[in-house]
Amino acid sequence: NAGVTQTPKFQVLKTGQSMTLQCAQDMNHEYMSWYRQDPGMGLRLIHYSVGAGITDQGEVPNGYNVSRSTTEDFPLRLLSAAPSQTSVYFCASSYSIMFGRGKSYGYTFGSGTRLTVV
Amino acid sequence: QQQVKQSPQSLIVQKGGISIINCAYENTAFDYFPWYQQFPGKGPALLIAIRPDVSEKKEGRFTISFNKSAKQFSLHIMDSQPGDSATYFCAASYGDDKIIFGKGTRLHILP
Repeated sequence: NAGVTQTPKFQVLKTGQSMTLQCAQDMNHEYMSWYRQDPGMGLRLIHYSVGAGITDQGEVPNGYNVSRSTTEDFPLRLLSAAPSQTSVYFCASSYSIMFGRGKSYGYTFGSGTRLTVV
Repeated sequence: QQQVKQSPQSLIVQKGGISIINCAYENTAFDYFPWYQQFPGKGPALLIAIRPDVSEKKEGRFTISFNKSAKQFSLHIMDSQPGDSATYFCAASYGDDKIIFGKGTRLHILP
């Protein structure tokens, strides 16, 4: 059981290049999401998906595209990389927790992709 | 109203001391308050969580204190150890998959 797997771990891009960050999970979770983490900014939601074929925008979606053709995979595409997209990117999938009197959700995060755009 | 405000941004504590991180929220619909711990080079991982119907949750050296009337909650790390050095995120959600994270606190425990 690998959990959430992100590739690559590190990437350097030139301004204007495009690339795809891969995310795969083997836990059959319906909900998946992409975050970027920048110093002092915390985790900011880029895009999320509640199931195969369904995606929606988060807080900072500009410059990124996603698709969800299968439950397992949720790739993030940078269309034309900019220096402002230099960041650490995390993919997460959500699992339900019976907690107290109701159901809540926990996140399993991947180990991240450190992207530098020069 | 969707924000979760976390403080301090960074914290230095002597080994054996108590580390305290505070969070505040506005949306009274939130019903689940988890804390995530992130070590360098890793993704965040669920540490401990609480619902608003209890005022305290303890797991080992980690305790969440919850003040519903003040809309505040805090993480206390007792007998802090160098291995606790990490970034901590408070968070809140209201019954669905979407979790709102605080901006994080970088904790450093001096040996």
